[in-house]
Amino acid sequence: GENVEQHPSTLSVQEGDSAVIKCTYSDSASNYFPWYKQELGKRPQLIIDIRSNVGEKKDQRIAVTLNKTAKHFSLHITETQPEDSAVYFCAASNQAGTALIFGKGTTLSVSS
Amino acid sequence: GAGVSQSPSNKVTEKGKDVELRCDPISGHTALYWYRQSLGQGLEFLIYFQGNSAPDKSGLPSDRFSAERTGGSVSTLTIQRTQQEDSAVYLCASSNSRGRNNEQFFGPGTRLTVL
Repeated sequence: GENVEQHPSTLSVQEGDSAVIKCTYSDSASNYFPWYKQELGKRPQLIIDIRSNVGEKKDQRIAVTLNKTAKHFSLHITETQPEDSAVYFCAASNQAGTALIFGKGTTLSVSS
Repeated sequence: GAGVSQSPSNKVTEKGKDVELRCDPISGHTALYWYRQSLGQGLEFLIYFQGNSAPDKSGLPSDRFSAERTGGSVSTLTIQRTQQEDSAVYLCASSNSRGRNNEQFFGPGTRLTVL
């Protein structure tokens, strides 16, 4: 079955810096890759997703890149702000709408 | 509109007891998922319901775990003879698989503590 590895487990940056979180997946059939943000004590919320027919997607300060050949995808946050502090999870599935296999999460801390 | 709701929000039980956790998905969502989040861990897939199809139970960790979804809406996750390692936050999510956007919307979770 699918296995998703996520790095780093913790990431500390200064406000205004960029943050990059990387994930790898094992199942070449996976074609849907969402990223979820979970603030302390709250439920996970989707922040961006990408399907395997595109290599990059942007939404304001957030971007995701996908390399199907290498089977890895990354989350890029630019101009980080303290409110970006949270746990970020990457996930993969072989079809949007089916169960997601999650990475173990990255705790991002943005200090002002 | 109302989001995914779960009850109870917290459950403390003794080892060996059975527990039932409830999930109310977003109205009209055909897909429903259960995940488990242990301390410092990611979200572990447990079971997935899609419409009237047979559920995907491939993530259930043992035969002590079962789930059902009645009438294509509310779902109940049952853990029999609970063990301490079952302590975790159990998250339910739902999605509208008919739409192009298959975002999974999560509930607030049930924190289960097995003493």
